[in-house]
Amino acid sequence: NAGVTQTPKFRVLKTGQSMTLLCAQDMNHEYMYWYRQDPGMGLRLIHYSVGEGTTAKGEVPDGYNVSRLKKQNFLLGLESAAPSQTSVYFCASAGFESYEQYFGPGTRLTVT
Amino acid sequence: SQQGEEDPQALSIQEGENATMNCSYKTSINNLQWYRQNSGRGLVHLILIRSNEREKHSGRLRVTLDTSKKSSSLLITASRAADTASYFCATDISGTYKYIFGTGTRLKVLA
Repeated sequence: NAGVTQTPKFRVLKTGQSMTLLCAQDMNHEYMYWYRQDPGMGLRLIHYSVGEGTTAKGEVPDGYNVSRLKKQNFLLGLESAAPSQTSVYFCASAGFESYEQYFGPGTRLTVT
Repeated sequence: SQQGEEDPQALSIQEGENATMNCSYKTSINNLQWYRQNSGRGLVHLILIRSNEREKHSGRLRVTLDTSKKSSSLLITASRAADTASYFCATDISGTYKYIFGTGTRLKVLA
């Protein structure tokens, strides 16, 4: 039982490049979330999903897109990376009406 | 804008002492959660308190919730060096499945 895994763990992009971050959970959770964490700050919600095939915007959605084609996977895409997107990205999942979120180990992204 | 604000931002105590951190929020909630984050790692859930509860205990943790003041506190008793971490509160936006995290309290427990 791996819990929540994130791929990749580290990435360096040049401005304007694109990439996809993958989040996978094996707990059959309904809800999945993408957050970003900047130095000295809490987590800010980018996008979230309440079930397979559904997505919704969080606090800071601009510059990101997401997809949840399979219940266990939640993808976060950056179409044209900007230095302001340098951050640590965390994925989380939660079961139906359990509210407790399980977090992945994070992806450290640097955009130069 | 963030829903939750923790204070203090940083706290340094001696091992064996109690640590108290506070969280204030802005809108109606169904529940409030506390999480711990060890340096650079993913967050770990500690405890959840529902809006109709006033106090909850889990091991050395005690959480209180005052919905009239829109505030919560987390007390860690008999702290240990291993409790050194950042602590965040998270509140749901009532009627949604969105959670908003506060800015965190950095706790350092000195051995």
